[in-house]
Amino acid sequence: DAKTTQPTSMDCAEGRAANLPCNHSTISGNEYVYWYRQIHSQGPQYIIHGLKNNETNEMASLIITEDRKSSTLILPHATLRDTAVYYCIVSRGYQKVTFGIGTKLQVIP
Amino acid sequence: GAVVSQHPSWVICKSGTSVKIECRSLDFQATTMFWYRQFPKQSLMLMATSNEGSKATYEQGVEKDKFLINHASLTLSTLTVTSAHPEDSSFYICSARDSEYIQYFGAGTRLSVL
Repeated sequence: DAKTTQPTSMDCAEGRAANLPCNHSTISGNEYVYWYRQIHSQGPQYIIHGLKNNETNEMASLIITEDRKSSTLILPHATLRDTAVYYCIVSRGYQKVTFGIGTKLQVIP
Repeated sequence: GAVVSQHPSWVICKSGTSVKIECRSLDFQATTMFWYRQFPKQSLMLMATSNEGSKATYEQGVEKDKFLINHASLTLSTLTVTSAHPEDSSFYICSARDSEYIQYFGAGTRLSVL
């Protein structure tokens, strides 16, 4: 799997959009970008995934650059419950998934 | 989203005993499930890949005789920690992969070995 680089931590004001970047410059053509998050002491939660096109669901939006070397997860209106560690993972899907250290997002009141 | 149930959520056991953790996909079938462990303030570490009807594939450094994995059906995988010792105390998390290759995770099992 291609490696990913994420900032270690970020803060976001409650109600504002949280934009979490991820660099995956070595991504190959058939690798997807997946985002998961882990709220303290819980199992991770799937958020969204994409291949080339931007994606949106009820939780978030995923913006993938045209060259696919980076992406941004957008939480449109962050709440305190969005405080978590966010993991960006690149995988061919059928492969096993390994987690890096992720981005610790702190939503501030 | 799909639901994965993991049981028990918390277990305390004496050193030398064995502990079984169950992972069930409730509303989808999962040919492949995964087991992770997580130490405090660290990321998830993949222990093994569990494939229905076949032997599990263990990551390097994980003792297969200590962490027994059984994936007897398309909705159930179990992890048995045999002869547990205090250093096995950790947070164990399972996941099940659906037909779109999305992984859904259980809530985790916190194991404390006395």
